[in-house]
Amino acid sequence: AQSVTQPDIHITVSEGASLELRCNYSYGATPYLFWYVQSPGQGLQLLLKYFSGDTLVQGIKGFEAEFKRSQSSFNLRKPSVHWSDAAEYFCAVGSPYSGGGADGLTFGKGTHLIIQP
Amino acid sequence: ETGVTQTPRHLVMGMTNKKSLKCEQHLGHNAMYWYKQSAKKPLELMFVYSLEERVENNSVPSRFSPECPNSSHLFLHLHTLQPEDSALYLCASSQDLGQGNTEAFFGQGTRLTVV
Repeated sequence: AQSVTQPDIHITVSEGASLELRCNYSYGATPYLFWYVQSPGQGLQLLLKYFSGDTLVQGIKGFEAEFKRSQSSFNLRKPSVHWSDAAEYFCAVGSPYSGGGADGLTFGKGTHLIIQP
Repeated sequence: ETGVTQTPRHLVMGMTNKKSLKCEQHLGHNAMYWYKQSAKKPLELMFVYSLEERVENNSVPSRFSPECPNSSHLFLHLHTLQPEDSALYLCASSQDLGQGNTEAFFGQGTRLTVV
């Protein structure tokens, strides 16, 4: 069975500082990997996804993530955060059979990002 | 705007009430889903529909009853709920099931409070 671990429940970063949110997954083969963001009272918005190819993927809002097979990780990064980045961030893994369809997605518990002025 | 619209955005209901949540997508997708998001828990997949047929029911209590009259609409009928059912209910859609290179699009959710 696939699983996702986001070890940090809360992260506080100063505005303008760099950000890295950690995600580790457990899956028997190469998974499909996703990062979603959820602003307060809102649904989930896809930031970026990895299916194959270049292990460094670019997403929306200046985010990027790197797939590291040897570490079973897919950490999310941003070089300089903005106050509007404060939100809940979810890492998810999907199997190549189910792709990114929501039936096959396993989500982590999320990381709450707080931005200090 | 993700193309997936959920109504109502907020709902307060008593344990003896009957209510329905509605989800609508205008993306031409064939698969639709209901998820439950409770505090401090991962998102829980509840139901999956593909081409209006239910393909998955993840051991959800019968007090939750889904309905998919067509590929654009999905309902979640609620009756005799418990306070622990209070949560954010998210609807999602994707092009198809079991396909690579597809992704899920989520609605904004309905915040349900059972009193």
